[in-house]
Amino acid sequence: GAVVSQHPSRVICKSGTSVKIECRSLDFQATTMFWYRQFPKKSLMLMATSNEGSKATYEQGVEKDKFLINHASLTLSTLTVTSAHPEDSSFYICSATDSNYEQYFGPGTRLTVT
Amino acid sequence: GENVEQHPSTLSVQEGDSAVIKCTYSDSASNYFPWYKQELGKRPQLIIDIRSNVGEKKDQRIAVTLNKTAKHFSLHITETQPEDSAVYFCAASMGGGSNYKLTFGKGTLLTVNP
Repeated sequence: GAVVSQHPSRVICKSGTSVKIECRSLDFQATTMFWYRQFPKKSLMLMATSNEGSKATYEQGVEKDKFLINHASLTLSTLTVTSAHPEDSSFYICSATDSNYEQYFGPGTRLTVT
Repeated sequence: GENVEQHPSTLSVQEGDSAVIKCTYSDSASNYFPWYKQELGKRPQLIIDIRSNVGEKKDQRIAVTLNKTAKHFSLHITETQPEDSAVYFCAASMGGGSNYKLTFGKGTLLTVNP
């Protein structure tokens, strides 16, 4: 089956610094990737849709200058949390879509901002 | 936009019993309805999905039904086992092009008691 990896799995950073999270589709090409945020015991909240070679589409209420998304190739999308603050601490999950519309999720990145 | 409601939020059953989780959606243009299982701290895993041209789909102990007229779909798990314990999310999307994005329900915490 389709495999999506995410790196790092956990990261702790200081307030004011930036953190980059990578999402890779390992065995298929994904023209579209998605970035979600998940709070404890809550559902997945879509942050943005990432399309290869074009600007990401952000959901309402998500600051595009704070959450920078780059989809540089058909197998890699990155999310950079800029000037992170404690309220940005969360579980960030990416997903990639294959040609059958099915979404495969990465293992997630636990971000803690101190 | 699409709105997906999911019930119940928690469900506790005895091993061997059946479990049913129900979802409703608001946008009649939605045509793809996946179900995901998420264990604590892990990624969501696709367990079954259904498209709008089908009313029911079954995979061993898991089945999904779709009623397009009423705009609701349900997950049925028979002969539940303790390893079925997890959070289950339903989702809906319109599929195709930039409409791959999924709208998730809030999740159901299923506990199967041995």
